[in-house]
Amino acid sequence: ETGVTQSPTHLIKTRGQQVTLRCSSQSGHNTVSWYQQALGQGPQFIFQYYREEENGRGNFPPRFSGLQFPNYSSELNVNALELDDSALYLCASSFGGSPLHFGNGTRLTVT
Amino acid sequence: GIQVEQSPPDLILQEGANSTLRCNFSDSVNNLQWFHQNPWGQLINLFYIPSGTKQNGRLSATTVATERYSLLYISSSQTTDSGVYFCAVFMNNNAGNMLTFGGGTRLMVKP
Repeated sequence: ETGVTQSPTHLIKTRGQQVTLRCSSQSGHNTVSWYQQALGQGPQFIFQYYREEENGRGNFPPRFSGLQFPNYSSELNVNALELDDSALYLCASSFGGSPLHFGNGTRLTVT
Repeated sequence: GIQVEQSPPDLILQEGANSTLRCNFSDSVNNLQWFHQNPWGQLINLFYIPSGTKQNGRLSATTVATERYSLLYISSSQTTDSGVYFCAVFMNNNAGNMLTFGGGTRLMVKP
C-alpha cells in the first residue's frame, strides 16, 4: 500500500511569487485535504477536494487554490506569497469516513 | 467554531515513566484522532477513536464523547516517544470533513 507522498520536501520563495505544491493520495483514497501548520502550532484546514471539486474550505483567502486530478492526486497553489505563508503544508487523504492519513509535508519558506 | 484544548502544553519525562495527555473539545464531534508528529514533521496516526478505549502496545486512548474529552496514555516511555502529540476532532459540516486540531502536547523523554 502506497502512502501519501508530497513534493517538494522543501521550497524557498520570494514574497509576491507563486508556488505549486503536489500530493499523491494513498491508494484507494478519493478525498484529499490540505492543511497549513505554522511553527509551534497545530495544523489548520485549508480545503478539501472530492471528485475533482472543492467541497469544503477553511478560513483562507482566495489566493490559496487547488486542483484534484482524475487519479485523485492534488495540487495546492498559492499566489502573491506573503511572509506569513511560511509554514509546513500537509496533505491528507481518506476514503469515506476512514481516518485521514498525512504525507510528510512540504516546508515552504517565504523571504 | 469548535475549540480543542490539549494539556499539558509541555511535558518532560524520564525514560520508563508513564504519562496521561488530555484533549477537551467544546462541541459534539463525529470522530477523534490522535497523532504523533516526529521531529521531521511527519504526522503519524495513533488512534481513530470516537468513543471507548483502544490499545496499541504501550499506548492506549479513551474517549468519553458525552463529556467531550479524550485521554492518551503512554506507558514505559521511550526516547523515541519524543515529539508533539495532537488530538484532532472530526466534524462533517459546511466546511467539509475537516479536522480541527488542538495546540498539541510537546513531549520530551530523557534517557
